[in-house]
Amino acid sequence: DQQVKQNSPSLSVQEGRISILNCDYTNSMFDYFLWYKKYPAEGPTFLISISSIKDKNEDGRFTVFLNKSAKHLSLHIVPSQPGDSAVYFCAARAYYGGSQGNLIFGKGTKLSVKP
Amino acid sequence: DSGVTQTPKHLITATGQRVTLRCSPRSGDLSVYWYQQSLDQGLQFLIQYYNGEERAKGNILERFSAQQFPDLHSELNLSSLELGDSALYFCASSVGGQGRSGREQYFGPGTRLTVT
Repeated sequence: DQQVKQNSPSLSVQEGRISILNCDYTNSMFDYFLWYKKYPAEGPTFLISISSIKDKNEDGRFTVFLNKSAKHLSLHIVPSQPGDSAVYFCAARAYYGGSQGNLIFGKGTKLSVKP
Repeated sequence: DSGVTQTPKHLITATGQRVTLRCSPRSGDLSVYWYQQSLDQGLQFLIQYYNGEERAKGNILERFSAQQFPDLHSELNLSSLELGDSALYFCASSVGGQGRSGREQYFGPGTRLTVT
């Protein structure tokens, strides 16, 4: 049973446009969400995160939105650049009565930004 | 460069064999995590160590074991290898084991294990 789902395996966007990557989750105990970016032959790189008490977090061209009622988060990249082409993983962490659980990852979305 | 190092980068071995993967965390990080990424799968959490002690276990097989040494480097031991164990194995580290300092994990480049 996948607790973190990225339903789009791939996404293609034109340079300069907005990229929107989506992630759905099922566990209401998740209290922290993260996005990682992964280039081929490299490990995932932390990109941006958001606490469940917020609905938006922005860092430069990257913004993460959290909709707790829908159990949905999204990553917006504006404007998209060819260097953003990578696999993006959504991850979540649960809070169990004073003890944080470990990260649970989605399967990833491959973003291609075309010049 | 995340500051997390993993060796070797590639490993090819036969079924039934045993291998050891090594990870050195970022300077100052006390927690080490191991993940497995099989083809078309997300990263599956295997195990976490914090300052030498096992902190959490995920979907780790009994044939697999890990440890964290006093200098904080960690080793993942995989034994009685099967074809299905072929995967990318990532190590990650964080400052703490939980709370704010344990949320952002920094990943190494991974070890690609091929079992033939």
